[in-house]
Amino acid sequence: GAGVSQSPRYKVAKRGQDVALRCDPISGHVSLFWYQQALGQGPEFLTYFQNEAQLDKSGLPSDRFFAERPEGSVSTLKIQRTQQEDSAVYLCASSPRDTTDTQYFGPGTRLTVL
Amino acid sequence: SQQGEEDPQALSIQEGENATMNCSYKTSINNLQWYRQNSGRGLVHLILIRSNEREKHSGRLRVTLDTSKKSSSLLITASRAADTASYFCARWIYGNNRLAFGKGNQVVVIP
Repeated sequence: GAGVSQSPRYKVAKRGQDVALRCDPISGHVSLFWYQQALGQGPEFLTYFQNEAQLDKSGLPSDRFFAERPEGSVSTLKIQRTQQEDSAVYLCASSPRDTTDTQYFGPGTRLTVL
Repeated sequence: SQQGEEDPQALSIQEGENATMNCSYKTSINNLQWYRQNSGRGLVHLILIRSNEREKHSGRLRVTLDTSKKSSSLLITASRAADTASYFCARWIYGNNRLAFGKGNQVVVIP
């Protein structure tokens, strides 16, 4: 595949709804990251996977946020009972090996919670 | 929270001019990376400079790193309208599994 892809690109949810955001990393990339980017701000780290193992989830803002990468490739970020403050762009990135490598970002999913 | 970066800059320059933006940080780093983001292409990696390097070039880009001052600068020479974007520095901090991004610098290149 060409690069990191994310779907959907745009998601509008009513407050209280659950949403699932998908990330397809570059094939063969070991590391996968999720970031949250609020309007006018830089991306903020949410969580990190090495293959299927979630090694760091300390950036997840609440227990309503859950991420998985069951087969070490595709990852899903799930947000339960969405709140207005969850509105942001959610970015996925992957890197080939070591966590200090260059990260390749997807186009993001813009989530709007009404 | 954003990691100890100075207030973001907003630059408006004429095409052909050079653009310089700065980034500062507070903790020891493994490397520092610069990314560009615009609405058309998302967040794109530009250049990575390691903590033992002082300067790096890539095409029209020049990055410097001063670990004693905990600062970095990105220079874009002979700017083009297509360089209009937000530019972020991101630090890889020892002991963390993450990049810490700053708030970004907005650059507008006027044709």
